[in-house]
Amino acid sequence: AQSVAQPEDQVNVAEGNPLTVKCTYSVSGNPYLFWYVQYPNRGLQFLLKYITGDNLVKGSYGFEAEFNKSQTSFHLKKPSALVSDSALYFCAVRDKEGSYIPTFGRGTSLIVHP
Amino acid sequence: GAGVSQSPSNKVTEKGKDVELRCDPISGHTALYWYRQSLGQGLEFLIYFQGNSAPDKSGLPSDRFSAERTGGSVSTLTIQRTQQEDSAVYLCASSSGTPGIDTIYFGEGSWLTVV
Repeated sequence: AQSVAQPEDQVNVAEGNPLTVKCTYSVSGNPYLFWYVQYPNRGLQFLLKYITGDNLVKGSYGFEAEFNKSQTSFHLKKPSALVSDSALYFCAVRDKEGSYIPTFGRGTSLIVHP
Repeated sequence: GAGVSQSPSNKVTEKGKDVELRCDPISGHTALYWYRQSLGQGLEFLIYFQGNSAPDKSGLPSDRFSAERTGGSVSTLTIQRTQQEDSAVYLCASSSGTPGIDTIYFGEGSWLTVV
């Protein structure tokens, strides 16, 4: 079985400050991990993914995420938040040895204040 | 096409009516997914198609829901005898290459409201 948890429904951060959106996962084997962003009334857009290799993954719009196997986490980070980063963020996981269907978290609403 | 295309973008239907939602994946993508997004519920997997293999229907919530994919391309999700709890955004997505690894691209969704 595979599952993903996004413990925060909402994250508030001031523009220019660093941001972190948390994600933890559970899989039987090794994980493939993904982050997506959803702007209001839009579909999900791919940000970045971890498949193998370097634990620090860099993606679109200046976002990055760090895979931490011991803590089973894949937190999304950005050094300096923009108001335009305000959106709904989804973490997803797929068990490498499991089905081809990723499981998504419930989403975290990021609000960046001017 | 350039991206995953879904239609209609918005649909209001009366309780008990049947609805069809269409998805046109990115050209050449062999994998196609349907998810449902309800308010505050995250994304709920519905069904997965991969090439000519039998679809994985394990996420369909009831026998009122069905989906088909014709010619390995366009997919239609059908909801029969709609209920108010079916109101949600229905998202279609596709991917190519190695299933489960390659990036999944989502459409803009079909917003369904059952009144």
